[in-house]
Order: sequence, then structure tokens, then C-alpha cells
Amino acid sequence: LAKTTQPISMDSYEGQEVNITCSHNNIATNDYITWYQQFPSQGPRFIIQGYKTKVTNEVASLFIPADRKSSTLSLPRVSLSDTAVYYCLVAFNQAGTALIFGKGTTLSVSS
Amino acid sequence: GAGVSQSPSNKVTEKGKDVELRCDPISGHTALYWYRQSLGQGLEFLIYFQGNSAPDKSGLPSDRFSAERTGGSVSTLTIQRTQQEDSAVYLCASSLAYLGPQETQYFGPGTRLLVL
Repeated sequence: LAKTTQPISMDSYEGQEVNITCSHNNIATNDYITWYQQFPSQGPRFIIQGYKTKVTNEVASLFIPADRKSSTLSLPRVSLSDTAVYYCLVAFNQAGTALIFGKGTTLSVSS
Repeated sequence: GAGVSQSPSNKVTEKGKDVELRCDPISGHTALYWYRQSLGQGLEFLIYFQGNSAPDKSGLPSDRFSAERTGGSVSTLTIQRTQQEDSAVYLCASSLAYLGPQETQYFGPGTRLLVL
């Protein structure tokens, strides 16, 4: 059964680095791994995506090991405004029609 | 430009009634997606459209759910004979094309459906 696993919640303080890992055992070999952020009463929004190794943009880094069975979203120096739910998105078939979002990780950042 | 819009923003209905939820994607986006988010749950993928065609409808929870898209633009998700377990936020997203997770999806604010 296609499935992703993320921690339900994480707590952090402002200025710390936060790493959220998503496990996804049998994802499509030709597909990317994408992470989204969702604030209350809003739809998710794109953060970062990658296929393998490491990707970095202005807001986050994404680490993907060679076996692609997991991916880790890294948020450097979080602030209060990073408090949100974070989802990984993968596809579990080569056609990419089985899109699976993880159940999400609720990150709470405190001062 | 305008983002993805959904209407209504909130809908309260009685068990057994039919409801229609509407999604207006970003202009020029050929792919459109529907998701369901129940309280405290993640996003459940329901269906996607490439143009007006939905290649895979297996994600729809039951035969009470149907979706259509016309003119490669607006889409409606219809739930017939609503049940209380249908209560959730229904999210729509669109993207330039359909390439699986590789294609960035732009989400609307959702429709909050409450079935009494």
C-alpha cells in the first residue's frame, strides 16, 4: 500500500534549524519529491522540490538519499512565521496518477 | 494575476442533499486537482484533470462523488446524497501541466463543507 510517513508534530524555537523527514518506500522512479507548507484556513503552497541529492532555495533545503526512500526538509533559522503544517508529496506509480500527500507535520515555533 | 478561486467558501447542508463545489483555476493552467482535507487529517487526493479529461477516477471516495471540467477551465465537484462523513475542506489546485509531483500546484482557499 502506497504510503508516506512524517512526524505528526515538532516544536522549535526561533533561530533554530528544523529538519522534517518524510519516509516514502516505493515512490515512482521518475518522479520528484515536493514539499508544501500550509497555514490555517489557507491552501498549501509550494516550498521546494527535488529528485535526488540536495536542493536549496531561498527558504529551505531538501535532502534526498540515493535510495530515495525518504526526504528531509530543512528550514534554517526558523521564525514564528514558520509555524505551519508541512507536507511531502510523492507519486507512487510511473504514470504519476497516484499522488500522495503525507499526513503533514505541524511545526510550532516559539520565542 | 488572480489565483485559484473556489466557491462557496463555506457550505452547510443537510444529510441526503446534493452539493456542488466550484473551482476556477489560474488562467492557462491545463491541469486541475481536487483534494479533501478532513479535520486533523492530511490531504486526500481525489481526482485530477488534464484539460477536460480525468484519466483516473479511482481516488473518488464513492460513486456519490463526481467531477467534471468544461472548456479546460472551471471544474465542479458534485457530491450526491451527502453524508456526515463528507464534512471536510475540499481543496482545488491547478498547474501549468500535469507532470505529477514535479509540477508546482497552486491551491485555492478551499470550500468548507459541513453536513448536518
